[in-house]
Amino acid sequence: AIQLTQSPSSLSASLGDRVAVTCRASQGIDSGLAWYQQKPGKPPKLLIYDASTLESGVPSRFSGSGSGTDFTLTINSLQPEDFATYYCQQYNRYPFSFGQGTRLEI
Amino acid sequence: QVQLVESGGGVVPPGGSLRLSCAASGFNFNYYAIHWVRQAPGAGLEWVALILYDGSNKFYADSVKGRFTISRDTSNNTVYLHMNSLRADDSALYYCAKLKASAAMWDASDFWGQGTMVTVSS
Repeated sequence: AIQLTQSPSSLSASLGDRVAVTCRASQGIDSGLAWYQQKPGKPPKLLIYDASTLESGVPSRFSGSGSGTDFTLTINSLQPEDFATYYCQQYNRYPFSFGQGTRLEI
Repeated sequence: QVQLVESGGGVVPPGGSLRLSCAASGFNFNYYAIHWVRQAPGAGLEWVALILYDGSNKFYADSVKGRFTISRDTSNNTVYLHMNSLRADDSALYYCAKLKASAAMWDASDFWGQGTMVTVSS
């Protein structure tokens, strides 16, 4: 099974900051990677799919990059609603898998 | 609008069984793969199982293979997760979600339900 390792596990930032979260796959997954945002008590929300395609309705301050084994989620100009936990997920190969999550805190 | 509503969770003793349901509406159920993802309290997301849009293939996480079975019923637009030989580490909030593209086998998930809680405890 493909393992996904996110870093950092937690991140402290301020409003207006630019932050980056990385996701490394244990083997190549082409561009079969998504990023989700999850807030307490809510289901995950899709932000990015196919490594770099922004989901409809998601603010343009979110962006994704990478292919193969190394991927990055970047958030520009942090807003109050961005403080949440972020997960990467690979869907290139079964079984699908998630990273362990990155908690973004103020 | 797209809706996925999970039900069937509850408290069950170790070794017991439970059947979860995911009722879908607002989209053409016959065209989309559905999967289950779980989240233990305070923990991350864990992928559990997926059934293709036509039911032709099913995939499972190693942690549930042989104990869980996923199925779908097109007559009532519902996906089921039959869980047997339940263990304490199966305790979690179980979400169902649809894959984004129609007839897709590998894709992200664009709509999720609110989840149903399963607690395995004596």
